[in-house]
Parts: sequence; C-alpha cells; structure tokens
Amino acid sequence: GDSVTQMEGPVTLSEEAFLTINCTYTATGYPSLFWYVQYPGEGLQLLLKATKADDKGSNKGFEATYRKETTSFHLEKGSVQVSDSAVYFCALSGNSSASKIIFGSGTRLSIRP
Amino acid sequence: DVKVTQSSRYLVKRTGEKVFLECVQDMDHENMFWYRQDPGLGLRLIYFSYDVKMKEKGDIPEGYSVSREKKERFSLILESASTNQTSMYLCASSLLGTGGEKLFFGSGTQLSVL
Repeated sequence: GDSVTQMEGPVTLSEEAFLTINCTYTATGYPSLFWYVQYPGEGLQLLLKATKADDKGSNKGFEATYRKETTSFHLEKGSVQVSDSAVYFCALSGNSSASKIIFGSGTRLSIRP
Repeated sequence: DVKVTQSSRYLVKRTGEKVFLECVQDMDHENMFWYRQDPGLGLRLIYFSYDVKMKEKGDIPEGYSVSREKKERFSLILESASTNQTSMYLCASSLLGTGGEKLFFGSGTQLSVL
C-alpha cells in the first residue's frame, strides 16, 4: 500500500541555519504531496503542497519539490527562525474524491536562539 | 477561515466506558476524518466520511465506530475504552474534490484511559 517515510527527529539547529527534512514515498499512480506543520498545543496546518511531478510548493520561506524519479519531497528552508520550532509531517493523497491522506511519522524541529 | 472544533481538549475515562468524541466544522465540507496521533507513529487514519451517513474504514478501525447524521458533525465512538486507546485524537475536514484537497484540523483531544 501507499506509505510515507520521513527522517526521524528530533532535529536541533541554531537560528539562521539551513534546514532539510527528508521525505520519500511509495504510491501507485501520481499522488499529491504535502507538508503539514504542528506548532505546540495546536492541530496540524498545511504548510505547502505539490500536485504533480516537478512542481515546487513554497510558503513562509519553506520549499519542497515533487521528484518523481526519486519519489521524494524533501522540505528545505535557507535560514530557520526560533518560531519554526514545531513538528513537521510529510503526507500524500491519491487523486480521487475519496482518497485517504497518509502521513509520515513526523519530525520534531527545535531551533536554538 | 474554516473552523474545526473538537468538544474537549482533555478527557479522562475509565476502562470499559463508552466514550464519545465530537467534531464540528463550519464550512460545509463534505469530507471528515478521524486520526489518532502517537509518538513515533505519526497520524493514523481511523475512519473517514465523504457524505452524511456514509463512512469508510481507515487503517486502524478496530475498537472504534463513527456517526455522521449531519454534514457538519462527525462523532468518534469508543464502544468500550481500553488503555491502548490512550492517545491524541485529531479531527479534520476537507472539500470533496479530485484529490489533493487541503485538510483543516481541530486542536485535538488528548484522551487518557485509566
């Protein structure tokens, strides 16, 4: 079945460091790919998404490119801030109206001032 | 903005009790979902619904049931709570599209079963 694998955390970085969180997927067909973020004490919210190969999703300085050849959707940010501390989830969805959305296990990111 | 409201932030129940978790969304979304979130396991889908009175099993439906009598409300029922159902429960909703729709999440209910 479809699955998502993301790098285990926790990840701890200093402010202004470069961030990469790896995500790879297994799916039949051509899924849509997402990154969701969960700030402390809150529910998840969509950070960015891409719906077809070579699309780049971006938001709040974060980027991820849908790479079909490597089945990857790695999250990157050039300069992280303390406010980026959160748990990040990679997810995929099939392209039908009743598709399930499958999440990875989450990566906890902590940014030191 | 869409609001997804879960009835309780924290809940403590005893083994064997029947537990109801309620979720209400205010943007006329067709799809509604229940997930549980456990450390190291991410989010796992319990049940989802794409219309009133319709339901589909997710990946871990055992020990749970759901009810969707009105479009805006999706209830998760633990028929006889057990300690292994201690978890964070997240409700979400989305439009009925062609896949790739954004999920809107509630803040979660932390359930402890003693």
